[in-house]
Amino acid sequence: IAGITQAPTSQILAAGRRMTLRCTQDMRHNAMYWYRQDLGLGLRLIHYSNTAGTTGKGEVPDGYSVSRANTDDFPLTLASAVPSQTSVYFCATAREGDRNEQFFGPGTRLTVL
Amino acid sequence: GQNIDQPTEMTATEGAIVQINCTYQTSGFNGLFWYQQHAGEAPTFLSYNVLDGLEEKGRFSSFLSRSKGYSYLLLKELQMKDSASYLCAVRDSDYKLSFGAGTTVTVRA
Repeated sequence: IAGITQAPTSQILAAGRRMTLRCTQDMRHNAMYWYRQDLGLGLRLIHYSNTAGTTGKGEVPDGYSVSRANTDDFPLTLASAVPSQTSVYFCATAREGDRNEQFFGPGTRLTVL
Repeated sequence: GQNIDQPTEMTATEGAIVQINCTYQTSGFNGLFWYQQHAGEAPTFLSYNVLDGLEEKGRFSSFLSRSKGYSYLLLKELQMKDSASYLCAVRDSDYKLSFGAGTTVTVRA
């Protein structure tokens, strides 16, 4: 693994189904984030985790849940998908230090019908 | 929260200079970032400003004025590969980023 991986790359899902988007990193960064990106709205933070064992809500958390059992993995779960959750989902990690810039995974394109 | 504004689109000619402005209103400023995002790809880090002034990195420069809630990204000697979206992002005191909607730059020959 090099950097951040996300799975699946893309998915078409029926409304009402449960779905987990996976994110794994090998950079040993403490902080991890989930964003959704929609045309005209930019990237919006869904949930975040500053370190393993802790999570927090972002700007648009409703309908999503996360867990952070260890440093490397940060899965995002849609308990019952709705069409408005159709989006591109990006996972990101942040390096420690003053700059603390975020690194983004390749994204998952999710379509809910 | 954060309110971040940047133009939707800009077009420029290869070899020219383009300046992308970003204004923000924040409830706790802790740094401003610019990211580049090519179509269908993930955003990649370009620049970071936390103090007022200009940061230069090759053909790209970024400026910040905290008192005015203003930043710009300057792209010099434009190349075709610079056609992308440029995202302005403000970091709050909890180290969370809020992004503007992005500026799509099209470079024409």
